[in-house]
Amino acid sequence: GAVVSQHPSWVICKSGTSVKIECRSLDFQATTMFWYRQFPKQSLMLMATSNEGSKATYEQGVEKDKFLINHASLTLSTLTVTSAHPEDSSFYICSANNRQGADYGYTFGSGTRLTVV
Amino acid sequence: DAKTTQPPSMDCAEGRAANLPCNHSTISGNEYVYWYRQIHSQGPQYIIHGLKNNETNEMASLIITEDRKSSTLILPHATLRDTAVYYCIVRDAGNMLTFGGGTRLMVKP
Repeated sequence: GAVVSQHPSWVICKSGTSVKIECRSLDFQATTMFWYRQFPKQSLMLMATSNEGSKATYEQGVEKDKFLINHASLTLSTLTVTSAHPEDSSFYICSANNRQGADYGYTFGSGTRLTVV
Repeated sequence: DAKTTQPPSMDCAEGRAANLPCNHSTISGNEYVYWYRQIHSQGPQYIIHGLKNNETNEMASLIITEDRKSSTLILPHATLRDTAVYYCIVRDAGNMLTFGGGTRLMVKP
């Protein structure tokens, strides 16, 4: 089946530094990838949608200058949390869209737990 | 906003069938229903999806009512490893998956 590799699985960084999270579709091409954030005991919240070769579309309330998304190829999207602060600590999850005709499959990465100290 | 409503939690005895309901009364004719589950601190795992017809795979069965306003995910023989949060999601017109609160299923010995 379709596999999405996300790394790192966890990262601890100092406040004010930037962190990059990678999301790769291993055996399919993903024209669209999605980035979610999940706080403890809450559901996943969609942050942005990224399409290969174009700018990401951010959900309301998500700062595009803070959460930089790059989708440079059909198999790779990156999320960079810039100038991270403790309130950015969260579980970040990517998803890739594996479209087959009118049917869409969505495969999720294993998530990245970010802790900002 | 999520277009689905689910009970926040359910219990099920190990070895018995787990039936997880989902209400999606505002679903449109061409919108699919997806089910995922999330075990603590992991990414969501795909279970099954469907449009109109009932679907079955090695993990579960999906029963969609004729009017498509609700569906039920059935795990035929629940095990302890099926303890997770189960999300019922309607794929929207933007082809995004918007997660609701999900159902926390606790399988008990």
